[in-house]
Amino acid sequence: GPKVLQIPSHQIIDMGQMVTLNCDPVSNHLYFYWYKQILGQQMEFLVNFYNGKVMEKSKLFKDQFSVERPDGSYFTLKIQPTALEDSAVYFCASSLPTGGAGYAEQFFGPGTRLTVL
Amino acid sequence: DAKTTQPDSMESTEGETVHLPCSHATISGNEYIYWYRQVPLQGPEYVTHGLQQNTTNSMAFLAIASDRKSSTLILTHVSLRDAAVYHCILRVAGFASALTFGSGTKVIVLP
Repeated sequence: GPKVLQIPSHQIIDMGQMVTLNCDPVSNHLYFYWYKQILGQQMEFLVNFYNGKVMEKSKLFKDQFSVERPDGSYFTLKIQPTALEDSAVYFCASSLPTGGAGYAEQFFGPGTRLTVL
Repeated sequence: DAKTTQPDSMESTEGETVHLPCSHATISGNEYIYWYRQVPLQGPEYVTHGLQQNTTNSMAFLAIASDRKSSTLILTHVSLRDAAVYHCILRVAGFASALTFGSGTKVIVLP
């Protein structure tokens, strides 16, 4: 089936540095999402993105976070500067529009494990 | 506030049928019932969804109560690959909104 790819699979950085997480969504999808999952905890929504704009974001989407998808390439999540509490697995997802039927299966990538030291 | 309630875990044996209950007493008329599952070290995977009628696909059968206040995901002939955390999620129709994950039900499959 359709695949979402995430690069890198694991990233280790020092606190205060900038990091960019890359997501290669399913080719014909138009909605893009980032979720955060701290080890052993529930997955939580960060942000969704459509037509070059953030559609909705949660309180976890701090000012240090930004997303973009320049020219239809990777959908990226940038954190600048990073903090210790940003250590988590970040999952990217993509979907088609719902078409009014409420059905918009989100396809998830395998996640990027971010470790902030 | 949790909108769905699921048991923490359920145990089964390969080849058996597993019934995963989900309670959603305050569901709105425009909310669909989605099920996703997640295995360790992987992203969630869509299982099925429904509004009012029971639905079936290659992965599972979804039984929805007539008052829509509860549903049951039924996994037949489970294998070790079905071991995962299963999430029951409510989502408003017609809008590509976020999925709100709870703690789900951990399904343990014994050989």
